[in-house]
Amino acid sequence: DQQVKQNSPSLSVQEGRISILNCDYTNSMFDYFLWYKKYPAEGPTFLISISSIKDKNEDGRFTVFLNKSAKHLSLHIVPSQPGDSAVYFCAASVTGTASKLTFGTGTRLQVTL
Amino acid sequence: DADVTQTPRNRITKTGKRIMLECSQTKGHDRMYWYRQDPGLGLRLIYYSFDVKDINKGEISDGYSVSRQAQAKFSLSLESAIPNQTALYFCATRASGGEYNEQFFGPGTRLTVL
Repeated sequence: DQQVKQNSPSLSVQEGRISILNCDYTNSMFDYFLWYKKYPAEGPTFLISISSIKDKNEDGRFTVFLNKSAKHLSLHIVPSQPGDSAVYFCAASVTGTASKLTFGTGTRLQVTL
Repeated sequence: DADVTQTPRNRITKTGKRIMLECSQTKGHDRMYWYRQDPGLGLRLIYYSFDVKDINKGEISDGYSVSRQAQAKFSLSLESAIPNQTALYFCATRASGGEYNEQFFGPGTRLTVL
């Protein structure tokens, strides 16, 4: 039972345009969400997070939006750069559960010139 | 220098062999985690540890065991490897003391069981 879903395995965006990566979840107990970026032959690296008390969190070119009623979050990258080409994982956790993360399946983003 | 290191980075073994994957960290974090990544399945938690005396099973612990030899070291063992344990394995660490601290991942170990 996949509690965190990333329904788009891949996404291609032109440099300078906006990249939007989507994530849906089914467990209403999740109250903290993170995005990780992964390059080949490297481990995932933390990108940005949001708690359920917010609906938006911004860090430079990266913004995460949370829609609790729809159980949906999205990561916006503006403007997209070639170095953003990577696999992006959405992850979720429940406060008080030892920070155990439940990951989505990942979306491979390719930013083209 | 890497904060979280994993050895080996790649390993090919045969069915039935015992394998140990090692993780070391210099971040001073209390909490350590082992995940596996399979194509199309994302990362799944195998075991996690809050400190040397606190070991907990994760989502998919069957067929695995762990040892927390010190705060900085967390090893994952496959007592008798089988082909469906072929995967990419990641170790992660996290500081305690806050609900919103992120996990930091090692570079991964690619394990192939023939």
